Amino acid sequence: NAGVTQTPKFRVLKTGQSMTLLCAQDMNHEYMYWYRQDPGMGLRLIHYSVGEGTTAKGEVPDGYNVSRLKKQNFLLGLESAAPSQTSVYFCASRQGGLEKLFFGSGTQLSVL
Amino acid sequence: KNQVEQSPQSLIILEGKNCTLQCNYTVSPFSNLRWYKQDTGRGPVSLTIMTFSENTKSNGRYTATLDADTKQSSLHITASQLSDSASYICVVSLYGNKLVFGAGTILRVKS
Repeated sequence: NAGVTQTPKFRVLKTGQSMTLLCAQDMNHEYMYWYRQDPGMGLRLIHYSVGEGTTAKGEVPDGYNVSRLKKQNFLLGLESAAPSQTSVYFCASRQGGLEKLFFGSGTQLSVL
Repeated sequence: KNQVEQSPQSLIILEGKNCTLQCNYTVSPFSNLRWYKQDTGRGPVSLTIMTFSENTKSNGRYTATLDADTKQSSLHITASQLSDSASYICVVSLYGNKLVFGAGTILRVKS
């Protein structure tokens, strides 16, 4: 039982490049989330999904897109990376709206 | 505005000592409050959950308290160990699936 798996773990991009972060969970959870974590700040919600085929914007969605074509996967895309997107990205999932979150181990992204 | 503030920002204690971390929130409508532990380079892991009617809950050497009247929570760590070195994050859930995260307290336990 792997829980929540994120790939890649590290990535360096040049400004303007694109990339996709993959999140996979094997717990059959309905809810999935993408957060970014910056020094001195709490985790901030980028986008989330309450079920297969659904997505919604969080508090910092600009510059990111997501897709949830399969229940177990939640993809985060950066179409044209900017230095302000340098951060650590965490994916999380949970079964219900009030249940605890299960987090992946994070993706450290640097945009030069 | 829904906010969660944690104090102190960072803390250094000697192995074997106790410590208390604080969380103040201005969140409505309140559903529950969780404390998460985040080891360096890892994702956060849930330690405890507190609902509106609960005052105290323990998980081994971790004891969380909640005062819903003053909107304060604390996490007390007893007999600290080197493995307790981590960031501790307070997360408040609102009804309607919204979560508000604190910035965390970085704890370092040294021998």
